[in-house]
Amino acid sequence: QSVLTQPPSVSAAPGQKVTISCSGSSSNIGNNYVSWYQQLPGTAPKLLIYENNKRPSGIPDRFSGSKSGTSATLGITGLQTGDEADYYCGTWDNSLSGWVFGGGTKLAVL
Amino acid sequence: QVQLGESGGGVVQPGRSLRLSCAASGFTFSSYGMQWVRQAPGKGLEWVAVISYDGRNAYYADSVKGRFTVSRDNSKNTLYLHMNSLRAEDTAVYYCVKDSKKNVGYFDYWGQGTLVTVSS
Repeated sequence: QSVLTQPPSVSAAPGQKVTISCSGSSSNIGNNYVSWYQQLPGTAPKLLIYENNKRPSGIPDRFSGSKSGTSATLGITGLQTGDEADYYCGTWDNSLSGWVFGGGTKLAVL
Repeated sequence: QVQLGESGGGVVQPGRSLRLSCAASGFTFSSYGMQWVRQAPGKGLEWVAVISYDGRNAYYADSVKGRFTVSRDNSKNTLYLHMNSLRAEDTAVYYCVKDSKKNVGYFDYWGQGTLVTVSS
């Protein structure tokens, strides 16, 4: 059972938009930045969004992040088959004095 | 460019020890916190440990506290994970991760991982 809650899977058609939620509490998301990571099949994770809504260089603006209260959301527009991956949210937890990840969401582009 | 190369993985019997290493290059190693994250086969990401830029502070997941120790040698640009009393549930790919800050920020670069299998 992960400290951060994500839906196990989401799906959408190519070109469409999808959102992935990440729910936490005041000890983690509520008081810390959230980051998002993309893990393509068979590869190491990669930073996708940091500090709630910032994109590293090289990440297209089809990817966006937002945070409200104790929840965060990753948005992906103009879906491509190459976006099929597992997506994880993460943040520091002040009560645990440790980093916590969501359980991951598998995106299918049908 | 930032490069992180893990080594030291392999098959180990339950109860034994193993040391993982991570060679870093392409950035000022001594200026950033470093992390270990693991992923059991077919499972999600699990944070393991973080060590501050100067090695003075470290934090651990409850699942490894008291058994694993993270350390670093800034003169060698190398991060370590000493794993003792290994259990079957420690079987995972272990990723070395660069933090964005001196202590804890976000994970901006990941290594390719090294597989640890705990089995008799």
